[in-house]
Amino acid sequence: KQEVTQIPAALSVPEGENLVLNCSFTDSAIYNLQWFRQDPGKGLTSLLLIQSSQREQTSGRLNASLDKSSGRSTLYIAASQPGDSATYLCAVPPAGGTSYGKLTFGQGTILTVHP
Amino acid sequence: NAGVTQTPKFQVLKTGQSMTLQCAQDMNHNSMYWYRQDPGMGLRLIYYSASEGTTDKGEVPNGYNVSRLNKREFSLRLESAAPSQTSVYFCATSGTGTNTEAFFGQGTRLTVV
Repeated sequence: KQEVTQIPAALSVPEGENLVLNCSFTDSAIYNLQWFRQDPGKGLTSLLLIQSSQREQTSGRLNASLDKSSGRSTLYIAASQPGDSATYLCAVPPAGGTSYGKLTFGQGTILTVHP
Repeated sequence: NAGVTQTPKFQVLKTGQSMTLQCAQDMNHNSMYWYRQDPGMGLRLIYYSASEGTTDKGEVPNGYNVSRLNKREFSLRLESAAPSQTSVYFCATSGTGTNTEAFFGQGTRLTVV
């Protein structure tokens, strides 16, 4: 059974810092990996999706990398801002089938960026 | 383009009452999903529908039923609500081929008293 772990569970940084969120998964036979953001009381917003054949994806100040062989992904946030404060979740679908939204989630990293 | 729309946003039920959570998508995705999110438990899959006309159980299906009404709509029904079903419910969709990204609705916050 796939297990996804995120470290750290919580992170508090001053504005402007570059930071790294970590995600690890036990079964390396993944199809893709997706990073989400969740604001308090809100739904999940997709940030980045990395296909298993890719090493990284970038969107603005966000960069996600994937190392399938070691079962790890990192989300790099450059020049953090208070508006980045949220819970960040990583998730992977099962390797077989076509139900790519049938996701196993990590417990999330709660990020606080203070001015 | 609304994406994934869930109704209602909030609901309070008494134990034993029934209700249906509605989900509609305009993304033309084949697959739809229902998750629940609980503190300390994270997000867990209740049911999913890989395509119109099919439904399958997820990790925590007990106490729930689903209906894939058409390609756009996927509903979740609680026949006899219990306090243990107090949770935030999320509907999600995903495509296929080169379009496998999953998208989530804004959630329904359900309290069973």
